Amino acid sequence: KQEVTQIPAALSVPEGENLVLNCSFTDSAIYNLQWFRQDPGKGLTSLLLIQSSQREQTSGRLNASLDKSSGRSTLYIAASQPGDSATYLCAVRTQGGSEKLVFGKGTKLTVNP
Amino acid sequence: GAGVSQTPSNKVTEKGKYVELRCDPISGHTALYWYRQSLGQGPEFLIYFQGTGAADDSGLPNDRFFAVRPEGSVSTLKIQRTERGDSAVYLCASSSSRENEQFFGPGTRLTVL
Repeated sequence: KQEVTQIPAALSVPEGENLVLNCSFTDSAIYNLQWFRQDPGKGLTSLLLIQSSQREQTSGRLNASLDKSSGRSTLYIAASQPGDSATYLCAVRTQGGSEKLVFGKGTKLTVNP
Repeated sequence: GAGVSQTPSNKVTEKGKYVELRCDPISGHTALYWYRQSLGQGPEFLIYFQGTGAADDSGLPNDRFFAVRPEGSVSTLKIQRTERGDSAVYLCASSSSRENEQFFGPGTRLTVL
């Protein structure tokens, strides 16, 4: 059974700092990995999708990497801003026919002005 | 429409009542997913539709939960004899293909009193 863990559960940083959020998964046979952002009381916004054959994806100040063999992904946020404050969720789709995403519990990020 | 929409945004009901939650996916998306998110947790998979058929309903917790997608577009999640433990945010997502990212709606917050 695929399990996804995100560390840390919460993170508070000053504005302008570069930061890394971590995601690990127990079954390395994944189809893809997706990072989401969730604002309080809102749905999920897709940030980046990494296919199993890829090593990283970039979008603006965000960079996500994938090391499938070790079961790890990181989300790097450069020059953090108060508007980046949200919960960041990592989710994987495991090979073997299942279409579902398995989520971690998320990292709650607070960027202080 | 621009994105996935869900109605109602909030639903308060009494224990034992029947509820229906609606999801309108992004136009043209053939894959539709339902997830449930409890406070402080990541979303958990409920059911996946490819077109009109439920391709994977392994996440439905029991037979009080049922979902339909009769015309391959709008989907309705139906919960019979609601229990307080059903209280959660119910999220819907759609995707254009198995390989592509899932886009989420804003969710329906269900409260069972």
